[in-house]
Amino acid sequence: QKEVEQNSGPLSVPEGAIASLNCTYSDRGSQSFFWYRQYSGKSPELIMFIYSNGDKEDGRFTAQLNKASQYVSLLIRDSQPSDSATYLCAVKGSSASKIIFGSGTRLSIRP
Amino acid sequence: ETGVTQSPTHLIKTRGQQVTLRCSSQSGHNTVSWYQQALGQGPQFIFQYYREEENGRGNFPPRFSGLQFPNYSSELNVNALELDDSALYLCASSPAGAADRDTEAFFGQGTRLTVV
Repeated sequence: QKEVEQNSGPLSVPEGAIASLNCTYSDRGSQSFFWYRQYSGKSPELIMFIYSNGDKEDGRFTAQLNKASQYVSLLIRDSQPSDSATYLCAVKGSSASKIIFGSGTRLSIRP
Repeated sequence: ETGVTQSPTHLIKTRGQQVTLRCSSQSGHNTVSWYQQALGQGPQFIFQYYREEENGRGNFPPRFSGLQFPNYSSELNVNALELDDSALYLCASSPAGAADRDTEAFFGQGTRLTVV
């Protein structure tokens, strides 16, 4: 079992719709959860982080965390073509030094 | 811009050679982590340095080594390069040490290493 799992996609969403990206993790002791966006050929860019169960909203982005289910998600409202990228879920586990990444979900917003 | 800079941006090396990659962390950040990202994969944790000491290591062989300097900049050294070492190498800096959960990482632009 991978430590952080994501559906590789591609996930195709029409412009203006809600894109929903999901991630599960294996370490129950994990404390911090991050979503990064990575455009092709570029480095990852932090867009959201969440530590507590529930929802956290920042503009068009909402991160959702359910520690009991070991599940974290990212919702993107009013999707734009510029949101087309690979979204990486990352988890800081009980071994506090390292952040573990999933393999990413490719998101494509179609006009 | 994250304030984390890496050099060089691109590099081509021959199998068996050695390479040194460099990273300058964001001002005020004392923790630097290195990641290897193969094509189509997520970044894989190599190791982390906190206040000049190694503070955690991933599943990479000893030929991957590093340093952190008093100004918190860092180097990644890879000896005896193999073809599979071809990847994007990412440096990320964080503002706090291992015990603090609020250590989201900010990435540099990466070094694209090609081993031929």
